[in-house]
Amino acid sequence: ETGVTQSPTHLIKTRGQQVTLRCSSQSGHNTVSWYQQALGQGPQFIFQYYREEENGRGNFPPRFSGLQFPNYSSELNVNALELDDSALYLCASSLGQLSSYNEQFFGPGTRLTVL
Amino acid sequence: TQLLEQSPQFLSIQEGENLTVYCNSSSVFSSLQWYRQEPGEGPVLLVTVVTGGEVKKLKRLTFQFGDARKDSSLHITAAQPGDTGLYLCAGSVMNNNAGNMLTFGGGTRLMVKP
Repeated sequence: ETGVTQSPTHLIKTRGQQVTLRCSSQSGHNTVSWYQQALGQGPQFIFQYYREEENGRGNFPPRFSGLQFPNYSSELNVNALELDDSALYLCASSLGQLSSYNEQFFGPGTRLTVL
Repeated sequence: TQLLEQSPQFLSIQEGENLTVYCNSSSVFSSLQWYRQEPGEGPVLLVTVVTGGEVKKLKRLTFQFGDARKDSSLHITAAQPGDTGLYLCAGSVMNNNAGNMLTFGGGTRLMVKP
């Protein structure tokens, strides 16, 4: 069984640029959630995708967008990068509606630095 | 908006000591998960509690879910240097407008000195 994988592991961008982060879900999982974790804080929910549609969104602006593909992998896109977007971006996969407990399994994250 | 508060934020203890981490909220959660995170890595799921009053044990770790499902605690007995890390609690409310999101506490950073 393959766990959640994310790419790239590290990324450095400058203000105003755009970035795409990628995530492959754990085998058998149909739901992907994205979280932002600033240094020294707990993760904050960005949005969730289920069956290729956004299934919920946290308090993040529209310049944070995403996609889910038929194989359940997902992308997180961030436009017009700001310095405060520097963080660890975590992807988590789960069974979604098939799970009674919403157990989510996390990838290793992508460390984004905005200069 | 559901908020989870963890305490303490930082804990530095000697090997062999016991400790308890608390996770409190004014909201009711359908389930609550505890994760452990190493630097530069993603959180690793330790346990899920779902029933009010539930107690689960994982070797030297004991997890408890409050009767009202608003709070939880993690107790570590005879801590070891390998227990060092960031401990996160996360609550889940099913079928809310924000999908099946997890609300995380701020984390407790534990250091166990040999």
